[in-house]
Amino acid sequence: EPEVTQTPSHQVTQMGQEVILRCVPISNHLYFYWYRQILGQKVEFLVSFYNNEISEKSEIFDDQFSVERPDGSNFTLKIRSTKLEDSAMYFCASGAGQGKNQPQHFGDGTRLSIL
Amino acid sequence: GNSVTQMEGPVTLSEEAFLTINCTYTATGYPSLFWYVQYPGEGLQLLLKATKADDKGSNKGFEATYRKETTSFHLEKGSVQVSDSAVYFCALSGGLTGGGNKLTFGTGTQLKVEL
Repeated sequence: EPEVTQTPSHQVTQMGQEVILRCVPISNHLYFYWYRQILGQKVEFLVSFYNNEISEKSEIFDDQFSVERPDGSNFTLKIRSTKLEDSAMYFCASGAGQGKNQPQHFGDGTRLSIL
Repeated sequence: GNSVTQMEGPVTLSEEAFLTINCTYTATGYPSLFWYVQYPGEGLQLLLKATKADDKGSNKGFEATYRKETTSFHLEKGSVQVSDSAVYFCALSGGLTGGGNKLTFGTGTQLKVEL
């Protein structure tokens, strides 16, 4: 069964450094998402992406965050200058269609630790 | 805005016991409802979904019925196994007509099944 792949599984970075989290969505999917889960808290929506542009973003997704689909397979989340509070598990998801009925398929996540 | 409330865990059961994990939601309009499961060390996997009132989603012996009158989507299984030990997330998508498809999650409920 096709799956969403995320790398690395664990990233440790010094505060203030840039970090790029990578995702390979399911190949025929067109809708891409990033979520995060701070330890002990809810999974929170960050951003959705379709047709090479952001379709929706949350208040969390400020100017320090950006997303990109640099080629036909990868989908990346960049944090420009990391803060301690960015430490979380980051999940990438993809979906075949738009609309509230369409399930999203998740990767295993990248655990980001900011020191 | 949309929100999801789940019962707190951990829930500890003996094998073959009956499982209920409560989930209630707040949303305007007609959201779609989902249960996702996260096994240790893995990502979120879609367990089941329901897209309109009175729909019953089912998969792997798990069931949940979309109850609009009580704004609930409780997860049930008649006889749990040790292999069902995982964290279960209730989520919703959409709500307002034409709303987006980002997922709003509950906090997750950890289930431990013992022999």
